[in-house]
Amino acid sequence: NAGVTQTPKFRILKIGQSMTLQCAQDMNHNYMYWYRQDPGMGLKLIYYSVGAGITDKGEVPNGYNVSRSTTEDFPLRLELAAPSQTSVYFCASSYSNNEQFFGPGTRLTVL
Amino acid sequence: GENVEQHPSTLSVQEGDSAVIKCTYSDSASNYFPWYKQELGKGPQLIIDIRSNVGEKKDQRIAVTLNKTAKHFSLHITETQPEDSAVYFCAASKSNTGKLIFGQGTTLQVKP
Repeated sequence: NAGVTQTPKFRILKIGQSMTLQCAQDMNHNYMYWYRQDPGMGLKLIYYSVGAGITDKGEVPNGYNVSRSTTEDFPLRLELAAPSQTSVYFCASSYSNNEQFFGPGTRLTVL
Repeated sequence: GENVEQHPSTLSVQEGDSAVIKCTYSDSASNYFPWYKQELGKGPQLIIDIRSNVGEKKDQRIAVTLNKTAKHFSLHITETQPEDSAVYFCAASKSNTGKLIFGQGTTLQVKP
C-alpha cells in the first residue's frame, strides 16, 4: 500500500492564481481531511469528508474548496491564491473516528 | 469551539531521562485524544492515543494519562533516546467526525 499520497511536493504561486492540491489514499478509508500547518504551529483543519459526496468545513475553510467524488481522492482547490495561504498542507485519512494517516505534505508559497 | 493548549513549547532532556508533555482541552464532550510525532519534513505519525473511557495507556516507553475531571492529558516518554527528538502534537476530538483540534506542538530535544 502507498498509504496517503500528495502532489505536488512543492509549488510557488503568484497572487490571484489558482491550483488544486491532489490527495489520494489506497487504504479504503471513509474519512479524509485537509490540514494546513504554519511555521511553528499546530495543524488547522480546513475541510473534511466522511464519505464520497459528503464534505464539511473545518476551522479555517475560507479561500478553499473541496470535492469528494470517489472514496480514494480528496482534492483541495485554491481559487484566488493569497500570501496568507503560504503554508504546508497535509492530507490525512482514517477509518471512521480512528487513527489518522497523514501524507508527506505539499509546501505552498504564494508571492 | 474546542481549544487545546500544549506545554511546554520546547523541552530538552538528557538521553535516558524522562520527558513529560501536557495538554488541556476546553470541551468536556471530547472523547478521543491522540498524540502525534512529526519529524522534520514529514507528516505527523500517531504514536499513542487514548479514549475517554480509560485513564491510562502504555506502549513500551510511551504512556498517556487522561484526567477527564480536570480536562487534561499528558504524554510520558521514559528512557529517552536521541531518535525521540522531534515535534510532538496532542489533539482532541469528539463525536464521530474525526475532526481533530491540535495543540501548538512541543519540540523535544534529547541530548546524547
